[in-house]
Amino acid sequence: AQTVTQSQPEMSVQEAETVTLSCTYDTSESDYYLFWYKQPPSRQMILVIRQEAYKQQNATENRFSVNFQKAAKSFSLKISDSQLGDAAMYFCAYSLRTNAGKSTFGDGTTLTVKP
Amino acid sequence: GAVVSQHPSWVICKSGTSVKIECRSLDFQATTMFWYRQFPKQSLMLMATSNEGSKATYEQGVEKDKFLINHASLTLSTLTVTSAHPEDSSFYICSARDGRSYEQYFGPGTRLTVT
Repeated sequence: AQTVTQSQPEMSVQEAETVTLSCTYDTSESDYYLFWYKQPPSRQMILVIRQEAYKQQNATENRFSVNFQKAAKSFSLKISDSQLGDAAMYFCAYSLRTNAGKSTFGDGTTLTVKP
Repeated sequence: GAVVSQHPSWVICKSGTSVKIECRSLDFQATTMFWYRQFPKQSLMLMATSNEGSKATYEQGVEKDKFLINHASLTLSTLTVTSAHPEDSSFYICSARDGRSYEQYFGPGTRLTVT
């Protein structure tokens, strides 16, 4: 079974600084997606970034980028120039490409942004 | 982007009654929908996968007779919590997979409180 591990229950960052959230996963499959989702207090899940496992290039979306290490099964999220609106719970998730949407989530990391 | 709605957003019911939660894809056809459960400050746990026109597939440990899922059309899936008990109080989130793009979109969630 696939597992996703986020080892940092809580993280904090100063506004305008950079923070990295960690995620490791375990799978025997080779074709899958990895995601980072943001869940603000409204609890609406928001897709931050997606990485296809077959792509070697790390995905980026504006201030958000990932460091995808397939061999090490590591998928960290870097948030640059942190903003107060980035404060939320962040979930790392895994999904097989053939069953996209059936996702396994990590336990989450609560990010606090200090002004 | 694509929108998934859930109704109601918050429901309070008495122990022993049943409550139905609707999940709709508003501008795309969802061949597959997923139902997740989330306890406060915890991760999302997949309950079941529902495919249009067929029986839902439940995850291990989820009581299919208690959590009835119906995927009647390409835009609507319903979750009925039967004979609700206080321990069923939780946040229920649906997601829908676009049948063409395979992108996954989350609904805003439904808070269920059983008294």
